Amino acid sequence: QSALTQPASVSGSPGQSITISCTGTSNNIGNYNLVSWYQQHPGKAPKLIIYEVGKRPSGVSNRFFGSKSGNTASLTISGLQAEDEADYHCCSHVGNSTFRLFGGGTKLTVL
Amino acid sequence: QVQLQESGPGLVQPSENLSLSCTVSGGSVSSANDYWSWIRQPPGKGMEWIGYIHYSGSTQYNPSLKSRVTISVDTSQNHFFLNLGSVTAADTAIYYCAKERILSGGITRGFDYWGQGTLVTVSS
Repeated sequence: QSALTQPASVSGSPGQSITISCTGTSNNIGNYNLVSWYQQHPGKAPKLIIYEVGKRPSGVSNRFFGSKSGNTASLTISGLQAEDEADYHCCSHVGNSTFRLFGGGTKLTVL
Repeated sequence: QVQLQESGPGLVQPSENLSLSCTVSGGSVSSANDYWSWIRQPPGKGMEWIGYIHYSGSTQYNPSLKSRVTISVDTSQNHFFLNLGSVTAADTAIYYCAKERILSGGITRGFDYWGQGTLVTVSS
């Protein structure tokens, strides 16, 4: 199984919105609403920010928005803040199994 | 608040076994809807799911690693374990243990709690 495809890097200025894409296939993202997103600051453990495509865990800012179209899931962060600068990873359920597939990660730089 | 902590050697010789443990506190590994995973991240790269275990003993592994991986659990000590055999330099990574809540019908709520990770280097 090839990793889900994410852009290596994205950037934005404070207050702006950015979107990170995560592209898979009909065997993962396309046919299952089981996509999650993780924020990872340098040297830290990942933090769950989105599950089931667009649901936010308690305590996660509503500036984080998850969506899906076809085989591509997206994470949109609005009102960018300096603290949002981190790596972001997507993850999807695969096929009729319990296999989990991650993307390669995207580095977000807040200019 | 559930907390997870990995422990194990930071350096493993090529061809040997990599063995790690994860101590769970603030929660129980015997929780019915919780599944306990190992995930790794080679330096500067994306993450790779290794596999999970349920307290019942049920396991699932990444097909690419299945022949070398064993995940086990000790419910009495609230720990779970990773054993990866015949390691090479390609197995050098930060290894994380994580909790995943999976509801009926296989609906996953994602990996909601993670350990801090432990760097394992495979080198002679």
